[in-house]
Amino acid sequence: GDSVTQMEGPVTLSEEAFLTINCTYTATGYPSLFWYVQYPGEGLQLLLKATKADDKGSNKGFEATYRKETTSFHLEKGSVQVSDSAVYFCALSLHNYGQNFVFGPGTRLSVLP
Amino acid sequence: DSGVTQTPKHLITATGQRVTLRCSPRSGDLSVYWYQQSLDQGLQFLIQYYNGEERAKGNILERFSAQQFPDLHSELNLSSLELGDSALYFCASSPIQGTFTGELFFGEGSRLTVL
Repeated sequence: GDSVTQMEGPVTLSEEAFLTINCTYTATGYPSLFWYVQYPGEGLQLLLKATKADDKGSNKGFEATYRKETTSFHLEKGSVQVSDSAVYFCALSLHNYGQNFVFGPGTRLSVLP
Repeated sequence: DSGVTQTPKHLITATGQRVTLRCSPRSGDLSVYWYQQSLDQGLQFLIQYYNGEERAKGNILERFSAQQFPDLHSELNLSSLELGDSALYFCASSPIQGTFTGELFFGEGSRLTVL
């Protein structure tokens, strides 16, 4: 079945460090790919997305590129801040009408001052 | 504020009991999703409704049921509760208009503790 795999956390970084959170997927079709973020005590919110191969999603200094050849969608940020501490979820969706939205297990990021 | 409202925010109950979680989607959103988030199993998709009809089903136990009402709010009913049902239950909604943009709008969740 369709699935999303993320690197195990927790990830602990110092402020201004470079962040990479790996995400790979398995899908029977051509999914759209997403990164969602969950700040402490809150629900998930969309961070960025890409709907086709080679698309790059970006938001708040975060970036991810849809790599069809490696079935990956790694999240990167050049300089993390304490306020980036959260749980990050990679996800895919295969259908135009929102069915089968599959989330990865989440990666907890802690950024230390 | 995502515009999705969930009640109650916290609920403590005993094994064997039944509870109902309520979700009001964003204004105009026709689709509602329910997810369960537990420490050991991450975010699990339970069920999706679109304009009152069940659209997709995930790992939802037979003890759980849901429905979406004509005013588009949704309820998730959990019965014969077990300790393992303790989790955060999220509702999300989406605007299904032509091509799906991929953005789910999540509520803040209902934290269920079963003692």
